[in-house]
Amino acid sequence: GAVVSQHPSWVICKSGTSVKIECRSLDFQATTMFWYRQFPKQSLMLMATSNEGSKATYEQGVEKDKFLINHASLTLSTLTVTSAHPEDSSFYICSSYRTSGYTDTQYFGPGTRLTVL
Amino acid sequence: GENVEQHPSTLSVQEGDSAVIKCTYSDSASNYFPWYKQELGKGPQLIIDIRSNVGEKKDQRIAVTLNKTAKHFSLHITETQPEDSAVYFCAATGMEYGNKLVFGAGTILRVKS
Repeated sequence: GAVVSQHPSWVICKSGTSVKIECRSLDFQATTMFWYRQFPKQSLMLMATSNEGSKATYEQGVEKDKFLINHASLTLSTLTVTSAHPEDSSFYICSSYRTSGYTDTQYFGPGTRLTVL
Repeated sequence: GENVEQHPSTLSVQEGDSAVIKCTYSDSASNYFPWYKQELGKGPQLIIDIRSNVGEKKDQRIAVTLNKTAKHFSLHITETQPEDSAVYFCAATGMEYGNKLVFGAGTILRVKS
């Protein structure tokens, strides 16, 4: 399958600081990427849709000023958690949407574990 | 909007036996149904998918069946192995959802050796 990377794989930060997570589509260009959040033993919750060259679209209840998304190129999207607090601790996962005619598919990155102290 | 229900929430099978996980969806307009396997601490991995113009798809020990009339689809794993132990998620989507996936709650599969 396609390869999507995330960096860092885990991060620990102090409350009040900002953290940036990178998502890279390594073997195909992605005009659309998605950001998810996953709590322990739960399913994936879509946070936002990242569109290359335009503003991200946020799901209801997700604060766009807290979770800043930038899709600067066809292979890179970043999620910045601003002024992080302990309740932001979670597993953040991105996906790249591959369009190939009939076989449009989402491929996921390995995830980033964020712990806010 | 679309709603996906997944059953069972946990499934234990003996190595070599078959495992079946079922999902139902609510929106008849959905036309794409992927299955993902997630191991502990990792991102979901696409293992198989099916589109609405096909009733069944198989890839070695893994198969997916789709019943559009009943609006349900199932994952079948034959000859299970310990490395199949993971959480499995089904999902559904379609053009009207901007290709955003709606996930089921997940199934914890344990294969006992």
